Amino acid sequence: DGGITQSPKYLFRKEGQNVTLSCEQNLNHDAMYWYRQDPGQGLRLIYYSQIVNDFQKGDIAEGYSVSREKKESFPLTVTSAQKNPTAFYLCASSIDAPGTSAIDEQFFGPGTRLTVL
Amino acid sequence: QKEVEQNSGPLSVPEGAIASLNCTYSDRVSQSFFWYRQYSGKSPELIMSIYSNGDKEDGRFTAQLNKASQYVSLLIRDSQPSDSATYLCAVNTNGGTSYGKLTFGQGTILTVHP
Repeated sequence: DGGITQSPKYLFRKEGQNVTLSCEQNLNHDAMYWYRQDPGQGLRLIYYSQIVNDFQKGDIAEGYSVSREKKESFPLTVTSAQKNPTAFYLCASSIDAPGTSAIDEQFFGPGTRLTVL
Repeated sequence: QKEVEQNSGPLSVPEGAIASLNCTYSDRVSQSFFWYRQYSGKSPELIMSIYSNGDKEDGRFTAQLNKASQYVSLLIRDSQPSDSATYLCAVNTNGGTSYGKLTFGQGTILTVHP
């Protein structure tokens, strides 16, 4: 079964703690993304990566870090510098087609709900 | 000014009616437009993508795009209670390049009542 998996489904963090959210895909997609969703709001882009060992900041990257050591994996670390981390975190992937004018569709994992205690 | 705007609703329609969801965007060079459905507590699911002016139909869903008016809409025919969800509009606002920087609207809550 091809798809995007995220773990854990629920995560609780204490103040001052770093936590890492996992995202894995077996769709052979080139591009991967991390979004944050707050209640009643749309999605905001945290980081994205188009190829292995390269990633770019999105609109709200402060307090977050990522790595892209393998094509299949794009983990997100929420650091203690992120002052309001409680949110629903969504990972997505797309085929991506550099040089074309059309955007490839993004597909989402099931999400991780992070709560700060 | 928000880059992608949707009426947050809630929009309530009776079962069997047509639900009309609207979205406006500010970046004139945007080329790719998407509608996602999100059930409560779940992740977004892509239901329609549209790239050219006009209508695109897929089953009970029709996406309409008017680039001159910077407007994209989603029509759901024969609405069912199972269509009750939040519908997110997403637009490529990265200057029309191929890279996946989508900007999302805040979503419209749709309720279909029996």
